[in-house]
Parts: sequence; structure tokens; C-alpha cells
Amino acid sequence: EAGVAQSPRYKIIEKRQSVAFWCNPISGHATLYWYQQILGQGPKLLIQFQNNGVVDDSQLPKDRFSAERLKGVDSTLKIQPAKLEDSAVYLCASSQNRGSVSGETQYFGPGTRLLVL
Amino acid sequence: QQPVQSPQAVILREGEDAVINCSSSKALYSVHWYRQKHGEAPVFLMILLKGGEQKGHEKISASFNEKKQQSSLYLTASQLSYSGTYFCGTETSGYSTLTFGKGTMLLVSP
Repeated sequence: EAGVAQSPRYKIIEKRQSVAFWCNPISGHATLYWYQQILGQGPKLLIQFQNNGVVDDSQLPKDRFSAERLKGVDSTLKIQPAKLEDSAVYLCASSQNRGSVSGETQYFGPGTRLLVL
Repeated sequence: QQPVQSPQAVILREGEDAVINCSSSKALYSVHWYRQKHGEAPVFLMILLKGGEQKGHEKISASFNEKKQQSSLYLTASQLSYSGTYFCGTETSGYSTLTFGKGTMLLVSP
């Protein structure tokens, strides 16, 4: 079974530029998560989708970050404009969830390493 | 509310045991444990659910004290491959939304 795919793997941009990350979850997984992981810390949830609807985006900085999952499969996370403090690894994860189910395993992709100069 | 992990770091020799703790200030539906090696994605180890159910690897054990809102991960007879950073993720809402701790760095030396 193919895992969670993400691209690009690395990205270097200057502050105030925009950037987009792409994620393709494991086939059949209804729930998709975007996390931000700053060096030395645990992953922080930015947004959680159930199919193409948003379950939780309470920690997404909506003035500069946006995410979509139009057909309930792959997803794009965008930052516009980027700030220095956005330098981090952006992890995508997916889980099978088909409803409000507790305790589902999340499977992580390899992440995109973003450096903002 | 972010769970608190302890210790922050552990150094072991191969074959030694370790315990990593995760503590929450909120009532928990489940606790998830992951291991992350440098530059890699977190890898699932175990889920402990409210009510006592566990899902995970055979060689790893953990406990979940619902009343104390705490979980512990037990690593016995450690191997070099156990090195990495261990994260606990806690679920407080019942919608599989996780909040991760800051991690515990484990180094196993020969």
C-alpha cells in the first residue's frame, strides 16, 4: 500500500513570497491533516479535513495560510506571504476515519522542509 | 492544551530499559505514541483508548491511566534502532484531533 505522498520535499523562499505544498493521502483515507513542526518541537495541527469539509482549523493563521481539499482526495496548503517564523517542516497525515471516530491511527508523509530567508 | 512529556531526554546503553511519560490537564479519549528519527516522518507505535483497548506493535508496551490523565511508554531491552524522538499525541475531543507533546529524545548507544 502506498503511503502519504508530499511534494516538494524542500523549499527555500524569501520572506513575503508565497509557497504551496501538495499532499496525496493513502488511498481510501477520508481524513487528512496538515501539521507544522518547528525544529525541536512536536507537530502542531494546522487543519483537519473530513473528506472535503473542514473539521478543525482553529490553529491555522488564516491571514496568511489557506488549505483546500476540493475533491476529498489530495490537498494543497498555501502560505502567502511567508514570514521568517514559518520556517518549519510541514507534515501531512491521513487516517481512515469515516465519521466522528475516536482513536484512529494517523499515517504521516515525509514532510516538506521550508526555509524562509 | 499541550501534553507534558518527561523526561526531555534519555541516554541508554543497548539492553537497558526506559519509561517515557505523558501527562495531560484534560480528560482524554485516547493517547497516541509516535517515534521520529532525524529528518524523517513520525512513525506510529501505539494507540491507547479510553476503556482499555490498545493497538500497536507487539514489542512495545504502554499504559493509560484515564483517571490521572497520564500515559507511559515502556521500552525494554532497548536496541540501537530505538533511538529517536518519541512524541505522545493526546485526543480530547473524540474526533481524532491530536495535540502533541514536545517530545522525548532517546539515544541508545552500543
